[in-house]
Amino acid sequence: DAGITQSPRHKVTETGTPVTLRCHQTENHRYMYWYRQDPGHGLRLIHYSYGVKDTDKGEVSDGYSVSRSKTEDFLLTLESATSSQTSVYFCAISDSIHEQFFGPGTRLTVL
Amino acid sequence: GQSLEQPSEVTAVEGAIVQINCTYQTSGFYGLSWYQQHDGGAPTFLSYNALDGLEETGRFSSFLSRSDSYGYLLLQELQMKDSASYFCAVRGVVDSSYKLIFGSGTRLLVRP
Repeated sequence: DAGITQSPRHKVTETGTPVTLRCHQTENHRYMYWYRQDPGHGLRLIHYSYGVKDTDKGEVSDGYSVSRSKTEDFLLTLESATSSQTSVYFCAISDSIHEQFFGPGTRLTVL
Repeated sequence: GQSLEQPSEVTAVEGAIVQINCTYQTSGFYGLSWYQQHDGGAPTFLSYNALDGLEETGRFSSFLSRSDSYGYLLLQELQMKDSASYFCAVRGVVDSSYKLIFGSGTRLLVRP
């Protein structure tokens, strides 16, 4: 299994508070991704990175920002959490793009 | 843009064969991937087709027809543990060369 961890695994927060999720890899993969998964919507890409300090938006990027200052870490920040951002968040890593390795997920609840 | 269609749910009997279809629309095309996800778990990669034809990996096979923008995942000798959601994903060319676009998933229920 690919070495990929996410923290925290569970978080409950209140509307309007900032939240940062961390994805850490030990595989030295070039590409890193943040997805959210909601019932009926499958996996939707939030942001992705194709190298250190190289990031781009996915299909549902509004309200989210990311940073990647080193190869192994990819941070996802919700500047001001809203209830619509309650979801399960998955990080993924890849060297080939078509074969991605997913982290265990973070379940975020915004009250 | 990109879009994928797959059935929302499929039911099959243990020991049987089931086919999960996926049709896609994309601006350019690199290949079609398949992922499996058990309830409460993370998606895991199953297969990838860049060229037309059938790719076999044990009980699972994946097929691609680029001219029809169509692919399928074939699961043989179904086992109860195959009950999961299956996602197809496409890597396009224009505006999406570094990423995958996932379908909404097909929930497979295997009955005894």
